[in-house]
Amino acid sequence: DTGVSQDPRHKITKRGQNVTFRCDPISEHNRLYWYRQTLGQGPEFLTYFQNEAQLEKSRLLSDRFSAERPKGSFSTLEIQRTEQGDSAMYLCASSLKGWNQPQHFGDGTRLSIL
Amino acid sequence: KQEVTQIPAALSVPEGENLVLNCSFTDSAIYNLQWFRQDPGKGLTSLLLIQSSQREQTSGRLNASLDKSSGRSTLYIAASQPGDSATYLCAAPWEDFGNEKLTFGTGTRLTIIP
Repeated sequence: DTGVSQDPRHKITKRGQNVTFRCDPISEHNRLYWYRQTLGQGPEFLTYFQNEAQLEKSRLLSDRFSAERPKGSFSTLEIQRTEQGDSAMYLCASSLKGWNQPQHFGDGTRLSIL
Repeated sequence: KQEVTQIPAALSVPEGENLVLNCSFTDSAIYNLQWFRQDPGKGLTSLLLIQSSQREQTSGRLNASLDKSSGRSTLYIAASQPGDSATYLCAAPWEDFGNEKLTFGTGTRLTIIP
């Protein structure tokens, strides 16, 4: 069990550029979640997958955001035409399916928009 | 909609003291509550998940309690150590029963003074 892995750890980009983050969940976990955290706040839910199916998306996830989990393993989160307000820590978590399964988080990708 | 509150926002205690962190939530129809620890610039580490059928859950020096009727949970840390310094977050499932999206509080930043 190597834990949840996220890449890159840090991303600095200019406003208007596209960025893509990757998350590798714990291998046997069929659920994968994306959250966003800004300074001094708790994480906010963005979207989650069960296997390859995207089951829910938050209203926080504008049309510029897209997430995929093509084979039910790793996931990518893409932000198009980045804006200053997109600067945040993007956290990925995974869990087994079930009511009382804890979510395990990666170390996140910190995005800074210049 | 679930709302989670953590008070105080920051807490400093001398090393060796026992302490209690508080978490309150608005929707008592939850089936678990999870406590996390977050070190600066890092992701979240899952500490304890307490199920709605349980009143307490223990792991080492940590003890979490849950009172659904009052909408409160506490995290008790015994014999605090400088290594316990971190931000502690609680999170509860969002909306109706069976939904596993987590709503987080803003956390309590704990400093243990050597």
